Amino acid sequence: GAGVSQSPSNKVTEKGKDVELRCDPISGHTALYWYRQSLGQGLEFLIYFQGNSAPDKSGLPSDRFSAERTGGSVSTLTIQRTQQEDSAVYLCASRRGTNNEKLFFGSGTQLSVL
Amino acid sequence: DQQVKQNSPSLSVQEGRISILNCDYTNSMFDYFLWYKKYPAEGPTFLISISSIKDKNEDGRFTVFLNKSAKHLSLHIVPSQPGDSAVYFCAASGVDFNKFYFGSGTKLNVKP
Repeated sequence: GAGVSQSPSNKVTEKGKDVELRCDPISGHTALYWYRQSLGQGLEFLIYFQGNSAPDKSGLPSDRFSAERTGGSVSTLTIQRTQQEDSAVYLCASRRGTNNEKLFFGSGTQLSVL
Repeated sequence: DQQVKQNSPSLSVQEGRISILNCDYTNSMFDYFLWYKKYPAEGPTFLISISSIKDKNEDGRFTVFLNKSAKHLSLHIVPSQPGDSAVYFCAASGVDFNKFYFGSGTKLNVKP
């Protein structure tokens, strides 16, 4: 597609449930990032994938968070046993390669944990 | 430990005047700096960037200034337009571009 696509755009879930958020990066982009923005906060780095290298998971806030990227394209961010503090906008971004500094963002998934 | 800081959460400017958004960083190894613009319910979109080898980069109404000794950068918008009303994020990365650190954003309101 022309841009980074994220689904769903909105997700409401109950505390304790698992959720999966999907990101479809721009075709040909080898690097993929997940960020989240909590209310009134900046963009918090979660995880970064680059090609076939091991992902940089240093931003994941707890072991309830995990992400995978299948076939070097689509990525899924999974949050297990959701908590109210997980409520945020989850943003996915991609970029072409290692020497291009621009990130292209999707529109995000607004996650609300009740 | 926030490595990129935007200390002004909001800024209000009259249409036609200059908007100046500020950003400070702590890591002297940062090599590239970017500004992103975000409208509600949309993802951030790239606006302008600057390399650490420069102190100024201009693109139309937008100019970014970098003061490496002060670890400070600013975005100037001249003249400001109501359509510029958005949240502006400052970001920085190291020479390998692997990680991008974002500030908390400044909400700009340009009044007609």
